[in-house]
Amino acid sequence: QVQLQQSGPGLVRPSQTLSLTCAISGDSVSTNSAAWNWIRQSPSRGLEWLGRTYYYASKWYYDYALSVKSRITINPDTSKNQFSLQLSSVTPEDTAVYYCARLGNYMDVWGKGTTVTVSS
Amino acid sequence: EIVLTQSPGTLSLSPGERATLSCRASQSVSSSHLAWYQQKPGQAPRLLIYGASSRATGIPDRFSGSASGTDFTLTISRLEPEDFAVYYCQHYGSTPLTFGGGTKVEIK
Repeated sequence: QVQLQQSGPGLVRPSQTLSLTCAISGDSVSTNSAAWNWIRQSPSRGLEWLGRTYYYASKWYYDYALSVKSRITINPDTSKNQFSLQLSSVTPEDTAVYYCARLGNYMDVWGKGTTVTVSS
Repeated sequence: EIVLTQSPGTLSLSPGERATLSCRASQSVSSSHLAWYQQKPGQAPRLLIYGASSRATGIPDRFSGSASGTDFTLTISRLEPEDFAVYYCQHYGSTPLTFGGGTKVEIK
């Protein structure tokens, strides 16, 4: 059974970098049959896909939403079987619940979510 | 970007009634890549339907999905008390993945 365990701070200061990690159990971050995603949810923006990483033909690929493309980095860590989200130059508009999720044939496994507040 | 528009915003029904939720795509979407989720307060979305009409593991058969062109429908045949929640559709066939704005099914 695949599970995703999220970790990271719940409070980030404006202009700083938001960093979250998603640890994978029951699957591998370097599997050829899934992509590893970050999604956030806020009252103002609803559910918003932020980006993903996946491994295919011996290469890592990254896709990012245009709304955050200049500020986002998603990194796989094969040694720890996890992937991370970094979102730089945050503002209060980045306040949201952040989820990691696996997308294989469908998006069936989600982390429990991390509430991140951007405030001084 | 594919925009998904869900209607109605809120559905007020009684237990035992039938719920019909709509999701309309702004452009052609492969039925193979349309999903429905249920979300309760404080929880992550839970996959109900994938490929427009296939139930996810462990989902009761009172939940069903269908597609007609760019229109997708989630039907709950007889509402149980645990079905009152918010429901989202999602397109996941290409990037950016997008979600609808949600339909809240509330107790009348």
